[in-house]
Amino acid sequence: NAGVTQTPKFQVLKTGQSMTLQCAQDMNHEYMSWYRQDPGMGLRLIHYSVGAGITDQGEVPNGYNVSRSTTEDFPLRLLSAAPSQTSVYFCASVGAGGVDTQYFGPGTRLTVL
Amino acid sequence: DQQVKQNSPSLSVQEGRISILNCDYTNSMFDYFLWYKKYPAEGPTFLISISSIKDKNEDGRFTVFLNKSAKHLSLHIVPSQPGDSAVYFCAVPTSGTYKYIFGTGTRLKVLA
Repeated sequence: NAGVTQTPKFQVLKTGQSMTLQCAQDMNHEYMSWYRQDPGMGLRLIHYSVGAGITDQGEVPNGYNVSRSTTEDFPLRLLSAAPSQTSVYFCASVGAGGVDTQYFGPGTRLTVL
Repeated sequence: DQQVKQNSPSLSVQEGRISILNCDYTNSMFDYFLWYKKYPAEGPTFLISISSIKDKNEDGRFTVFLNKSAKHLSLHIVPSQPGDSAVYFCAVPTSGTYKYIFGTGTRLKVLA
C-alpha cells in the first residue's frame, strides 16, 4: 500500500511550457484534491474531485486543468506555465473514515522561470 | 479575507517545555477543526482534531482546546521534543464537504 504518490518530485519549466503533475492513490478513495503551498499562504485548494468523472474548482483554479478518468489517478495540468505558478504542489485523498482521513502525497516542487 | 489564521509564523521552545500553537477563525458555522503536522520535503499528516461540541480533545502529548465564543483554538504539546520540530497547520473542512481551508502555518522549533 503506497498511499498517495506524486511525480515528479522536482520540475523546472520555462514560461509558457505545459506539463502534467501526476497523482495516484491505491486506497480506493473517492475524494481527491490538489493544493499549492506558498510561503505565508498555507495550503490553497486548486481543484478537487468527488469521484471518477467528477471534478470541480477550488479556491485558486486559474491556469490549471484536471480530469478524473479513474478512481486511482488525478493529474493536474498546467496549460501555459507562469512564474506565479512556482510553488509546491500537494495531492491528497480522503478516505471513507471522514475528514480526519485526508492523506497527502510528498509534493512536487515546481519552479517556473 | 482569510477565514483561518495562524498569526505566529514561528515559535521556539526548549525541549521538555510546553508548546502552544494558536489558530483563529472567522466563521461561527465551522464545526470541526484539525491540526496537521508537516516535515520538510514531506506532505502534511493529520495530527489531532476536535468537534465544536467539545472544548478539549487529548491524544498523548497533544491536546487541542476550542474556545467557540472567541473563535479560537490552540494546540498544546507537552512535553515538547526535538522530533516535534515541524510546521503545524490548522484546517477546517467546510461544512458538508471535504474542501479544507488551511491556516498559514506555524513553524515550531524545539531546542535540545
